[in-house]
Amino acid sequence: DTAVSQTPKYLVTQMGNDKSIKCEQNLGHDTMYWYKQDSKKFLKIMFSYNNKELIINETVPNRFSPKSPDKAHLNLHINSLELGDSAVYFCASSPWNRDNYGYTFGSGTRLTVV
Amino acid sequence: DQQVKQNSPSLSVQEGRISILNCDYTNSMFDYFLWYKKYPAEGPTFLISISSIKDKNEDGRFTVFLNKSAKHLSLHIVPSQPGDSAVYFCAASDNFNKFYFGSGTKLNVKP
Repeated sequence: DTAVSQTPKYLVTQMGNDKSIKCEQNLGHDTMYWYKQDSKKFLKIMFSYNNKELIINETVPNRFSPKSPDKAHLNLHINSLELGDSAVYFCASSPWNRDNYGYTFGSGTRLTVV
Repeated sequence: DQQVKQNSPSLSVQEGRISILNCDYTNSMFDYFLWYKKYPAEGPTFLISISSIKDKNEDGRFTVFLNKSAKHLSLHIVPSQPGDSAVYFCAASDNFNKFYFGSGTKLNVKP
């Protein structure tokens, strides 16, 4: 069973569209994240939720809106997609206690805006 | 400005030898560090971590060394195996909910 699963794996869409990426974890973790891997391969945090509560909200355009219906799910909705949004987006989860095993990442969603 | 840097984008090592991957950071407030391994088309997987109260942590073939005065950490893999070929990311945190990642080093272990 996949621990952190993201769907879809690949997403090609036109500028101006609205799209969502879904993430689910079955690890019982309290905290979930969205990361964006930029063109230089740096992983930058976008959002973090703990038990459905937003705890980290980095400088991200308002067009990006996370939604956490329960602590096992963290979805990312993007409005009015722009070319610069093309990237790989990683979902991750972790226990609240950091002395555990660190993060578990999903396999990523490659978003291409044309 | 990147607070965590991996200055070697790639490294090639012969099977059975030691692989040393390096990572530098600029924020002296970082107190927790991790290494991740990433295969193509997969998400990064956790490998090993170290907190700033230690200068070494070992797990099987993997050892992480932390030099706080130099703001430097390294991952040693001994002996290296072809299955270790992957991209390795280091990450650092001063608030365990927010980690800063390096850009990765691609390790190639030749049989």
